[in-house]
Amino acid sequence: EAAVTQSPRSKVAVTGGKVTLSCHQTNNHDYMYWYRQDTGHGLRLIHYSYVADSTEKGDIPDGYKASRPSQENFSLILELASLSQTAVYFCASSDASGNTLYFGEGSRLIVV
Amino acid sequence: GDQVEQSPSALSLHEGTDSALRCNFTTTMRSVQWFRQNSRGSLISLFYLASGTKENGRLKSAFDSKERRYSTLHIRDAQLEDSGTYFCAAEAGGSNAKLTFGKGTKLSVKS
Repeated sequence: EAAVTQSPRSKVAVTGGKVTLSCHQTNNHDYMYWYRQDTGHGLRLIHYSYVADSTEKGDIPDGYKASRPSQENFSLILELASLSQTAVYFCASSDASGNTLYFGEGSRLIVV
Repeated sequence: GDQVEQSPSALSLHEGTDSALRCNFTTTMRSVQWFRQNSRGSLISLFYLASGTKENGRLKSAFDSKERRYSTLHIRDAQLEDSGTYFCAAEAGGSNAKLTFGKGTKLSVKS
């Protein structure tokens, strides 16, 4: 049974629209992360959280917001989607800072 | 420049052969992790190392414990199912607890 689940798995959004990517983990982990993957760039950290109701900026936070309403749930919000945000987004959790990451299956976002 | 540099960027192997992937870090790292991404895009954790070596079946990883500036992933007796993209990710530690990923090594194993 998947311990980190993302939704939606795929989405087409219009430029300027709002997009919310959701992530739910059943690992009982404190840390959760959102990464984006683009060809040639590997994975880059957007936002992360180490406790409910608190989020931290990663390496590329511009254009994104994050929300951690509970230990299990972590959302990534694109208030005004742009073409450059077309990518595959991965959520992950870990039990402590930097320890083994467990990834979701990814969410493919296409902005048109 | 990139903090985590992986090499090679792509690699083609015949079944049964051995090879090694490498990650170099531009700064001292506290820990390193290795992942494999399969053709469906799923990312699977292979190893987490804070020092030394770890082995799992035909895979073995090492993290330079002295200067902590590189890590290797050895693949022994490569099989078709080893194909995929391998990523290393490292954590600098201290107040910076974030993982930085390399750009990956795309491995193709052929019969």
